[in-house]
Amino acid sequence: AQSVTQLGSHVSVSEGALVLLRCNYSSSVPPYLFWYVQYPNQGLQLLLKYTSAATLVKGINGFEAEFKKSETSFHLTKPSAHMSDAAEYFCAVSDRNFGNEKLTFGTGTRLTIIP
Amino acid sequence: DSGVTQTPKHLITATGQRVTLRCSPRSGDLSVYWYQQSLDQGLQFLIQYYNGEERAKGNILERFSAQQFPDLHSELNLSSLELGDSALYFCASSAEGFGGAFGTQYFGPGTRLLVL
Repeated sequence: AQSVTQLGSHVSVSEGALVLLRCNYSSSVPPYLFWYVQYPNQGLQLLLKYTSAATLVKGINGFEAEFKKSETSFHLTKPSAHMSDAAEYFCAVSDRNFGNEKLTFGTGTRLTIIP
Repeated sequence: DSGVTQTPKHLITATGQRVTLRCSPRSGDLSVYWYQQSLDQGLQFLIQYYNGEERAKGNILERFSAQQFPDLHSELNLSSLELGDSALYFCASSAEGFGGAFGTQYFGPGTRLLVL
């Protein structure tokens, strides 16, 4: 079964500092990987996804993630944190079955931005 | 705005009761997924429908059922409710396709269920 592990349930960074949220995956086949963001009292919004094209994936709001097969990782980064980035971030892996693309989520990382 | 709508936004009910959550997918999306988000279980996949037919099942209790109607909207029915069913229930939809469209699920705002 596929799974993702998010290291660090809470991460705090200063405004303007680098954001690094960690995600490691386990999959028996090449995975499709996603990062979603959830703002308070809202649904999940797709930040970016990896579907076996370029290994460096750029998303919305200045975020990007790099797929590293050798490390089974898909860490999310942003060069300079903004106050508006405070939210919960979820890494997810998808079954690569056409027509059955259920997502398996990590436990989430709550990002706090320190002014 | 993802284009996925869910009603109601909030639902408060008592143990033993039955409720129905409704989801309208993005225009043209054939697949609907239901997820449950709770503090102890995190985000868990419940069930998927594709064009009216059940396609995949996850950690869905037997007390829960779902269906997708010809107009592609979906309903999640929760019965014999227990305190532990209190959670945020999300619906997501996706388009079938390859390349950029593949695997992208768009989530609704969720229905927050509180069982007292």
